[in-house]
Amino acid sequence: GDSVTQMEGPVTLSEEAFLTINCTYTATGYPSLFWYVQYPGEGLQLLLKATKADDKGSNKGFEATYRKETTSFHLEKGSVQVSDSAVYFCALSDMPLNTGNQFYFGTGTSLTVIP
Amino acid sequence: NAGVTQTPKFQVLKTGQSMTLQCAQDMNHNSMYWYRQDPGMGLRLIYYSASEGTTDKGEVPNGYNVSRLNKREFSLRLESAAPSQTSVYFCASRYYQETQYFGPGTRLLVL
Repeated sequence: GDSVTQMEGPVTLSEEAFLTINCTYTATGYPSLFWYVQYPGEGLQLLLKATKADDKGSNKGFEATYRKETTSFHLEKGSVQVSDSAVYFCALSDMPLNTGNQFYFGTGTSLTVIP
Repeated sequence: NAGVTQTPKFQVLKTGQSMTLQCAQDMNHNSMYWYRQDPGMGLRLIYYSASEGTTDKGEVPNGYNVSRLNKREFSLRLESAAPSQTSVYFCASRYYQETQYFGPGTRLLVL
């Protein structure tokens, strides 16, 4: 079945450091891929998405490229800020082979950015 | 436009008590979902409703029931709460292939 494997944390970086959070997926069809972010005490918010191979999603300085050949969707940011401290979830959504269109989430990666 | 709302925000139950978590969305989304979030486990799907009048089990449905009351509302019921159901519960909604939107969560503690 479909699944997402995400780099385990926690990750601690200094401000302005480069961030990579790895995400690989298994899917039978042609999924859409997402990164969600969860700030303390809040629900998940969409950070970026890509709906087909070679698409690049980007938002707030974060980027991720949908790589079908390596089944990956790694999240990157060139210079992190303290305000980026949060938990990041990689997710996929399968094509409408059924009406549920379920999302499959990774286990989340906690990021702490220190000044 | 409030998005996805959940009530209550926090609840403490004793083992064996029942309760219903409420979720509503005002975005005219067809699909709605209930997840639980536990440390180190990510989000696990409990139940979902692809459209009004239909519900289906997700990954961890045991001990829960759901009702899709109308297009806006999707409730989750714990008939006899157990300590293993201590978790944070998130409701989400989605319009067909579009992005899933999440509510702020309900923190449940079962003693």
